[in-house]
Amino acid sequence: GESVGLHLPTLSVQEGDNSIINCAYSNSASDYFIWYKQESGKGPQFIIDIRSNMDKRQGQRVTVLLNKTVKHLSLQIAATQPGDSAVYFCADEEGGGFKTIFGAGTRLFVKA
Amino acid sequence: NAGVTQTPKFQVLKTGQSMTLQCAQDMNHEYMSWYRQDPGMGLRLIHYSVGAGITDQGEVPNGYNVSRSTTEDFPLRLLSAAPSQTSVYFCASSYSSGQRGGHNTGELFFGEGSRLTVL
Repeated sequence: GESVGLHLPTLSVQEGDNSIINCAYSNSASDYFIWYKQESGKGPQFIIDIRSNMDKRQGQRVTVLLNKTVKHLSLQIAATQPGDSAVYFCADEEGGGFKTIFGAGTRLFVKA
Repeated sequence: NAGVTQTPKFQVLKTGQSMTLQCAQDMNHEYMSWYRQDPGMGLRLIHYSVGAGITDQGEVPNGYNVSRSTTEDFPLRLLSAAPSQTSVYFCASSYSSGQRGGHNTGELFFGEGSRLTVL
């Protein structure tokens, strides 16, 4: 079956440093991936997405990299700020977009 | 736009009781889904719907029923609550494949969550 997982449950970075959050997936047919940020007590919020026909996509201070060969994607956050402290989830679609399956999440701590 | 609205935000039930979590969206999204989130785990898909009148099971459907009589509403019913159903429940909606394009992505729009405790 499909699984979407994250390598590390927690990540601690210094304010101003870059953060890298990793994610592995198992379904070779997955073609659409999304990163979400969840702050305490709130629902997840969309950060950035990427399709399988791309290797890299950039947003504001965030970059997602996709390596289809090893079925791995990462979220890079530049100049990490205290407001970036949250749990980050990778997710992928299956069933033609009907279902979105989430990984377990990585909690990012930003040290001042 | 209100986005995705869930009610109630908090609920305490006794084992065996039934209840319905309400979810409504005003974005004309065809896709809607329910997730549960337990400590130390990600979001697990309970049920989803690709349009009015169409529902299907997700990863953890047992003990839950859904219906989709309108595009806007997607209630989740707990038939006979069990302590294992203590969790935070999130409703989400998104554009269908046919609705995407331009600025419309596959992004899930989530409600604020409903925290359910079953004693």
